[in-house]
Amino acid sequence: QSVLTQPPSVSAAPGQKVTISCSGSNSNIESNFVSWYQLVPGTAPKLLIYDNDKRPSGIPDRFSGSKSATSATLGITGLQTGDEADYYCGTWDTSLRAGVFGGGTKLTVL
Amino acid sequence: EVQLVESGGGLVKPGGSLRLSCAASGFTFSSYSMNWVRQAPGKGLEWVSLISGTGTYIYYADSVKGRFTISRNNAKNTLYLQMNSLRAEDTAMYYCARGTLYKSPDYWGQGTLVTVSS
Repeated sequence: QSVLTQPPSVSAAPGQKVTISCSGSNSNIESNFVSWYQLVPGTAPKLLIYDNDKRPSGIPDRFSGSKSATSATLGITGLQTGDEADYYCGTWDTSLRAGVFGGGTKLTVL
Repeated sequence: EVQLVESGGGLVKPGGSLRLSCAASGFTFSSYSMNWVRQAPGKGLEWVSLISGTGTYIYYADSVKGRFTISRNNAKNTLYLQMNSLRAEDTAMYYCARGTLYKSPDYWGQGTLVTVSS
């Protein structure tokens, strides 16, 4: 059971928008920065969002992040078939003194 | 360009040991914390351990505490994970990932596969 809770799957049509939620607690999401990752089988995990809402260079502005209290959200607009992947949120848990991840969300672009 | 290259994975029997290495390049290694993160087959990401840039601060997941030891050699730009008393549930792809203390990682390696089986 993951410390952070994500929906197992989401889906939308090409060109549409999707959001992925990440729910935690005051010892992790509320107290620390949240990151989001894209995992494609056979490739290294890619950082999409760091510090709640910042994009690394090279990540298109179709990807966005936000945080409110104990929850964080990843938004993806203008969906493309190449966006099909697993997405994970991650942060630090101050009480556990450990890194924590969500269980992952599989995005299907119909 | 940041590069992280893991090595040392393989097949090991339950109760056995393995040492993973991660060779880093493209950044000032000693200025960054480093993590090990794993992903078991068909499962999600699981954070394993973190070591600060100087090695002063070290943290472990409860699932590996007492069995795994993280270390680093800043002169060689290399991160290590000594894994002892391995169990079947330790079977996973192990990723080396650069980070900042108390934040999730930014750059990740391609991973090295550890299989614990008799």
